[in-house]
Amino acid sequence: KAGVTQTPRYLIKTRGQQVTLSCSPISGHRSVSWYQQTPGQGLQFLFEYFSETQRNKGNFPGRFSGRQFSNSRSEMNVSTLELGDSALYLCASSLSSYNEQFFGPGTRLTVL
Amino acid sequence: TQLLEQSPQFLSIQEGENLTVYCNSSSVFSSLQWYRQEPGEGPVLLVTVVTGGEVKKLKRLTFQFGDARKDSSLHITAAQPGDTGLYLCAGVFSGNTGKLIFGQGTTLQVKP
Repeated sequence: KAGVTQTPRYLIKTRGQQVTLSCSPISGHRSVSWYQQTPGQGLQFLFEYFSETQRNKGNFPGRFSGRQFSNSRSEMNVSTLELGDSALYLCASSLSSYNEQFFGPGTRLTVL
Repeated sequence: TQLLEQSPQFLSIQEGENLTVYCNSSSVFSSLQWYRQEPGEGPVLLVTVVTGGEVKKLKRLTFQFGDARKDSSLHITAAQPGDTGLYLCAGVFSGNTGKLIFGQGTTLQVKP
């Protein structure tokens, strides 16, 4: 069974731009969670989607948003990029919101 | 605020030595997961513990979940250079489905 895939793997943007990251979960998984990983803050939860509905949200500004499609694929959008948004963005999928999570390889975002 | 304290943050040992990593919280976990992460990649799930007092073994790795479900430990016996990496514990707290709270991580270096 294929694992979680994320595209693109690497991205370079400039301040003020916006970016969209994509995540395809493991087949059959309906829950997708997003995390931001930085050297200073570690792994922090952004939000979780289940059956196209946001079920849980972390403490990030409104510039961070996401959505999930009927095939469980998910996208994350960051608007008005700031230098501090440079990070590894990880998505994880699970069968349901209560099950263990499996991570993708991440998207490395660099904001210049 | 639900916090997860992981220690030590850094560990550099010789091949063949034993080590233990600790993960503690003041709140009760619904479940706790241990991950290992290589640079530039997503975390890979090692084990999930759910029941207080539970012990799970994965080759030379032994995972314990505290009786009160507020703490966990990872013990590696006879560490090998291939064990080098970032070890992360992540807990799920009741009422926060789909959201993993991560510890700061333990960077392990095993020298040949």
